[in-house]
Amino acid sequence: AQKITQTQPGMFVQEKEAVTLDCTYDTSDPSYGLFWYKQPSSGEMIFLIYQGSYDQQNATEGRYSLNFQKARKSANLVISASQLGDSAMYFCAMREGLTSYGKLTFGQGTILTVHP
Amino acid sequence: DAGITQSPRYKITETGRQVTLMCHQTWSHSYMFWYRQDLGHGLRLIYYSAAADITDKGEVSDGYVVSRSKTENFPLTLESATRSQTSVYFCASSEGLVNIQYFGAGTRLSVL
Repeated sequence: AQKITQTQPGMFVQEKEAVTLDCTYDTSDPSYGLFWYKQPSSGEMIFLIYQGSYDQQNATEGRYSLNFQKARKSANLVISASQLGDSAMYFCAMREGLTSYGKLTFGQGTILTVHP
Repeated sequence: DAGITQSPRYKITETGRQVTLMCHQTWSHSYMFWYRQDLGHGLRLIYYSAAADITDKGEVSDGYVVSRSKTENFPLTLESATRSQTSVYFCASSEGLVNIQYFGAGTRLSVL
């Protein structure tokens, strides 16, 4: 079974609008972490935001926020006020447990295109 | 500039040849990782290391070998390259409780 599922292969958004990228995860470990990374066309992987399983509040980093719904096992990324530079591939990833040496399992990614 | 660097950035080789991809980080992070990225698969873990001289296999380790004699270096070797190993390879490092992984720029490898 997939541990990280990103069901949207591609998403389109108008510049300055908000967009939500979906991510669901599957784990039986009570301790885990959820990450979002951005991969622009240049190819590098850029860390965006992190949510721990015990964190009470949704994580926010500038225009990025993580809509964490633990019971539904979802960790959607919300990008507010989209910019042309947000066009990229976005990956959701999970680290399971406290002794996993930080290993990440990635979803297949969502390509976001921002239209002017 | 400090950070994590991979070399070479691009490599073309032939089937059966041995290839080594280099990864160097200047943060003294304990953990280091190798991933490969293929269309339709996202990133998949090849090998990881918790410290110098401590390495372990990931999800897709067949055909690869790693070593970590120094904390800052984590080379990945394809012992006898196959066409199925054509991919983009990423090295990453992390540290601390949250273990945010920071990635190198990647190596694009083509096996002909």
